[in-house]
Amino acid sequence: SQQGEEDPQALSIQEGENATMNCSYKTSINNLQWYRQNSGRGLVHLILIRSNEREKHSGRLRVTLDTSKKSSSLLITASRAADTASYFCATDGEETSGSRLTFGEGTQLTVNP
Amino acid sequence: DAGVIQSPRHEVTEMGQEVTLRCKPISGHNSLFWYRQTMMRGLELLIYFNNNVPIDDSGMPEDRFSAKMPNASFSTLKIQPSEPRDSAVYFCASSLTPVAAQYFGPGTRLLVL
Repeated sequence: SQQGEEDPQALSIQEGENATMNCSYKTSINNLQWYRQNSGRGLVHLILIRSNEREKHSGRLRVTLDTSKKSSSLLITASRAADTASYFCATDGEETSGSRLTFGEGTQLTVNP
Repeated sequence: DAGVIQSPRHEVTEMGQEVTLRCKPISGHNSLFWYRQTMMRGLELLIYFNNNVPIDDSGMPEDRFSAKMPNASFSTLKIQPSEPRDSAVYFCASSLTPVAAQYFGPGTRLLVL
Protein backbone atom coordinates (compact mmCIF):
# COMPACT_ATOMS: atom_id res chain seq x y z
CA SER A 1 0.00 0.00 0.00
CA GLN A 2 1.03 3.60 -0.42
CA GLN A 3 3.23 5.12 2.27
CA GLY A 4 1.40 8.41 1.89
CA GLU A 5 -2.32 8.26 1.33
CA GLU A 6 -4.24 11.43 0.63
CA ASP A 7 -7.77 12.01 1.74
CA PRO A 8 -10.16 12.85 0.21
CA GLN A 9 -9.49 11.53 -3.28
CA ALA A 10 -11.46 14.43 -4.72
CA LEU A 11 -12.65 17.75 -3.32
CA SER A 12 -14.85 20.37 -4.96
CA ILE A 13 -15.31 23.81 -3.38
CA GLN A 14 -16.31 27.35 -4.28
CA GLU A 15 -13.83 30.11 -4.85
CA GLY A 16 -13.02 31.88 -1.60
CA GLU A 17 -13.57 28.82 0.57
CA ASN A 18 -10.79 26.99 2.37
CA ALA A 19 -9.62 23.59 1.17
CA THR A 20 -8.18 20.98 3.50
CA MET A 21 -6.45 17.84 2.31
CA ASN A 22 -5.01 15.13 4.51
CA CYS A 23 -2.15 12.70 4.19
CA SER A 24 -1.60 9.64 6.34
CA TYR A 25 1.51 7.51 6.39
CA LYS A 26 2.56 4.31 8.07
CA THR A 27 6.22 4.48 9.07
CA SER A 28 8.48 7.01 10.76
CA ILE A 29 9.65 9.84 8.55
CA ASN A 30 12.27 12.57 8.52
CA ASN A 31 10.31 14.91 6.31
CA LEU A 32 7.02 15.20 4.49
CA GLN A 33 6.50 17.24 1.35
CA TRP A 34 3.48 18.52 -0.54
CA TYR A 35 3.35 18.94 -4.32
CA ARG A 36 0.84 20.35 -6.76
CA GLN A 37 0.20 19.10 -10.28
CA ASN A 38 -1.78 21.12 -12.76
CA SER A 39 -3.38 19.16 -15.55
CA GLY A 40 -0.83 18.09 -18.13
CA ARG A 41 2.13 19.46 -16.17
CA GLY A 42 4.88 18.14 -13.94
CA LEU A 43 4.59 18.20 -10.16
CA VAL A 44 5.60 21.39 -8.41
CA HIS A 45 7.10 21.35 -4.92
CA LEU A 46 5.04 23.42 -2.48
CA ILE A 47 6.40 22.93 0.99
CA LEU A 48 8.57 20.63 3.12
CA ILE A 49 7.95 20.02 6.79
CA ARG A 50 10.44 18.17 8.96
CA SER A 51 9.48 15.60 11.58
CA ASN A 52 10.40 17.98 14.41
CA GLU A 53 8.11 20.71 13.05
CA ARG A 54 4.39 20.91 13.75
CA GLU A 55 3.26 23.67 11.42
CA LYS A 56 4.57 25.59 8.47
CA HIS A 57 3.17 28.43 6.37
CA SER A 58 3.82 29.60 2.86
CA GLY A 59 1.53 32.32 1.54
CA ARG A 60 -2.00 30.91 1.54
CA LEU A 61 -0.72 27.43 2.37
CA ARG A 62 -0.61 26.01 5.86
CA VAL A 63 0.79 22.56 6.54
CA THR A 64 0.54 20.72 9.82
CA LEU A 65 2.26 17.52 10.87
CA ASP A 66 1.23 15.21 13.67
CA THR A 67 3.85 12.49 14.00
CA SER A 68 1.94 10.76 16.79
CA LYS A 69 -0.98 10.22 14.41
CA LYS A 70 1.27 9.84 11.38
CA SER A 71 -0.70 12.42 9.48
CA SER A 72 -0.35 15.78 7.80
CA SER A 73 -2.81 18.28 6.46
CA LEU A 74 -2.55 20.92 3.75
CA LEU A 75 -4.84 23.90 4.11
CA ILE A 76 -5.32 26.34 1.24
CA THR A 77 -7.06 29.47 2.43
CA ALA A 78 -9.22 31.75 0.29
CA SER A 79 -9.03 29.35 -2.64
CA ARG A 80 -8.94 30.54 -6.23
CA ALA A 81 -9.90 28.86 -9.47
CA ALA A 82 -6.18 28.69 -10.27
CA ASP A 83 -5.71 26.37 -7.26
CA THR A 84 -7.55 23.66 -9.20
CA ALA A 85 -5.00 20.85 -9.41
CA SER A 86 -4.00 17.52 -7.92
CA TYR A 87 -2.13 17.66 -4.64
CA PHE A 88 0.30 14.96 -3.54
CA CYS A 89 2.12 14.26 -0.32
CA ALA A 90 5.50 12.54 -0.34
CA THR A 91 7.43 11.01 2.53
CA ASP A 92 10.89 9.56 3.11
CA GLY A 93 9.62 6.68 5.23
CA GLU A 94 11.29 3.61 6.54
CA GLU A 95 9.78 1.47 3.79
CA THR A 96 12.52 2.81 1.56
CA SER A 97 15.04 3.00 4.42
CA GLY A 98 14.55 6.73 4.20
CA SER A 99 16.52 6.68 0.98
CA ARG A 100 13.99 8.34 -1.29
CA LEU A 101 10.52 9.86 -1.44
CA THR A 102 7.32 7.89 -1.86
CA PHE A 103 4.37 9.75 -3.35
CA GLY A 104 0.73 9.20 -2.48
CA GLU A 105 -2.06 8.92 -5.01
CA GLY A 106 -3.14 12.52 -4.72
CA THR A 107 -6.23 14.59 -4.02
CA GLN A 108 -7.95 16.22 -6.99
CA LEU A 109 -9.07 19.71 -5.95
CA THR A 110 -11.58 21.61 -8.05
CA VAL A 111 -12.25 25.25 -7.19
CA ASN A 112 -15.37 26.52 -8.88
CA PRO A 113 -15.48 30.21 -9.80
CA ASP B 1 18.24 28.00 -14.44
CA ALA B 2 15.90 26.59 -17.06
CA GLY B 3 14.67 23.83 -14.80
CA VAL B 4 14.55 20.17 -15.73
CA ILE B 5 14.47 19.76 -19.50
CA GLN B 6 12.87 16.78 -21.18
CA SER B 7 12.67 15.83 -24.81
CA PRO B 8 10.71 15.08 -26.79
CA ARG B 9 7.56 16.58 -25.29
CA HIS B 10 5.35 14.29 -27.35
CA GLU B 11 6.11 11.00 -29.02
CA VAL B 12 3.83 8.85 -31.12
CA THR B 13 5.25 5.56 -32.28
CA GLU B 14 4.18 2.15 -33.43
CA MET B 15 4.36 -0.99 -31.38
CA GLY B 16 7.76 -2.62 -31.63
CA GLN B 17 9.68 0.57 -32.21
CA GLU B 18 12.43 1.82 -29.93
CA VAL B 19 11.68 4.93 -27.91
CA THR B 20 14.31 7.10 -26.24
CA LEU B 21 13.37 9.77 -23.74
CA ARG B 22 15.91 12.36 -22.67
CA CYS B 23 16.39 14.44 -19.56
CA LYS B 24 18.70 17.23 -18.49
CA PRO B 25 18.54 17.78 -14.72
CA ILE B 26 19.07 21.05 -12.92
CA SER B 27 22.76 21.84 -12.67
CA GLY B 28 24.15 20.89 -9.27
CA HIS B 29 21.45 18.36 -8.49
CA ASN B 30 22.88 14.99 -7.57
CA SER B 31 19.73 12.87 -7.80
CA LEU B 32 17.65 12.11 -10.85
CA PHE B 33 14.36 10.27 -11.02
CA TRP B 34 12.27 8.78 -13.82
CA TYR B 35 8.52 8.45 -13.20
CA ARG B 36 5.62 7.18 -15.25
CA GLN B 37 2.08 8.48 -14.77
CA THR B 38 -1.17 6.97 -16.03
CA MET B 39 -4.77 7.37 -14.97
CA MET B 40 -4.94 3.74 -13.94
CA ARG B 41 -1.69 3.41 -12.02
CA GLY B 42 -1.00 6.96 -10.90
CA LEU B 43 2.59 8.15 -10.45
CA GLU B 44 5.15 5.34 -10.43
CA LEU B 45 8.86 5.64 -9.76
CA LEU B 46 10.75 3.69 -12.39
CA ILE B 47 14.36 4.30 -11.40
CA TYR B 48 16.51 6.84 -9.67
CA PHE B 49 20.17 7.77 -9.81
CA ASN B 50 22.39 9.37 -7.23
CA ASN B 51 25.70 10.83 -8.42
CA ASN B 52 25.06 9.18 -11.81
CA VAL B 53 24.78 5.71 -10.26
CA PRO B 54 21.48 3.78 -10.46
CA ILE B 55 20.32 3.23 -6.90
CA ASP B 56 16.87 1.68 -7.19
CA ASP B 57 15.48 0.26 -10.43
CA SER B 58 12.85 -1.94 -8.81
CA GLY B 59 10.12 0.05 -10.52
CA MET B 60 11.33 -0.67 -14.02
CA PRO B 61 8.52 -2.77 -15.50
CA GLU B 62 10.60 -5.27 -17.40
CA ASP B 63 13.72 -5.79 -19.47
CA ARG B 64 12.28 -3.71 -22.25
CA PHE B 65 13.03 -0.66 -20.16
CA SER B 66 16.54 0.62 -19.55
CA ALA B 67 17.96 3.87 -18.21
CA LYS B 68 21.39 5.43 -18.28
CA MET B 69 23.05 8.47 -16.81
CA PRO B 70 26.42 8.83 -18.53
CA ASN B 71 27.15 12.15 -16.82
CA ALA B 72 25.68 14.58 -14.33
CA SER B 73 23.82 16.57 -16.96
CA PHE B 74 22.12 13.91 -19.03
CA SER B 75 19.97 10.81 -18.67
CA THR B 76 18.00 8.61 -21.04
CA LEU B 77 15.12 6.20 -20.60
CA LYS B 78 14.83 3.70 -23.42
CA ILE B 79 11.97 1.35 -24.23
CA GLN B 80 12.73 -1.38 -26.72
CA PRO B 81 10.48 -2.76 -28.09
CA SER B 82 7.62 -0.45 -27.16
CA GLU B 83 4.10 -1.75 -26.52
CA PRO B 84 0.72 0.01 -26.37
CA ARG B 85 0.60 -0.45 -22.59
CA ASP B 86 3.69 1.74 -22.33
CA SER B 87 1.56 4.73 -23.32
CA ALA B 88 1.84 7.23 -20.47
CA VAL B 89 3.41 10.50 -19.43
CA TYR B 90 7.02 10.04 -18.41
CA PHE B 91 8.48 12.56 -16.01
CA CYS B 92 12.07 13.23 -15.10
CA ALA B 93 12.81 14.99 -11.81
CA SER B 94 15.98 16.07 -10.07
CA SER B 95 16.92 17.09 -6.56
CA LEU B 96 19.94 17.92 -4.45
CA THR B 97 19.62 14.66 -2.53
CA PRO B 98 17.26 11.68 -2.90
CA VAL B 99 14.97 13.03 -0.15
CA ALA B 100 15.15 16.75 -0.89
CA ALA B 101 12.54 18.70 -2.82
CA GLN B 102 12.18 17.33 -6.33
CA TYR B 103 11.89 19.50 -9.42
CA PHE B 104 9.95 17.92 -12.23
CA GLY B 105 10.31 18.39 -15.93
CA PRO B 106 7.30 19.03 -18.18
CA GLY B 107 7.07 15.35 -19.09
CA THR B 108 7.05 13.36 -22.31
CA ARG B 109 3.64 12.21 -23.46
CA LEU B 110 4.16 8.83 -25.15
CA LEU B 111 1.56 7.12 -27.28
CA VAL B 112 2.34 3.69 -28.64
CA LEU B 113 -0.05 2.57 -31.34
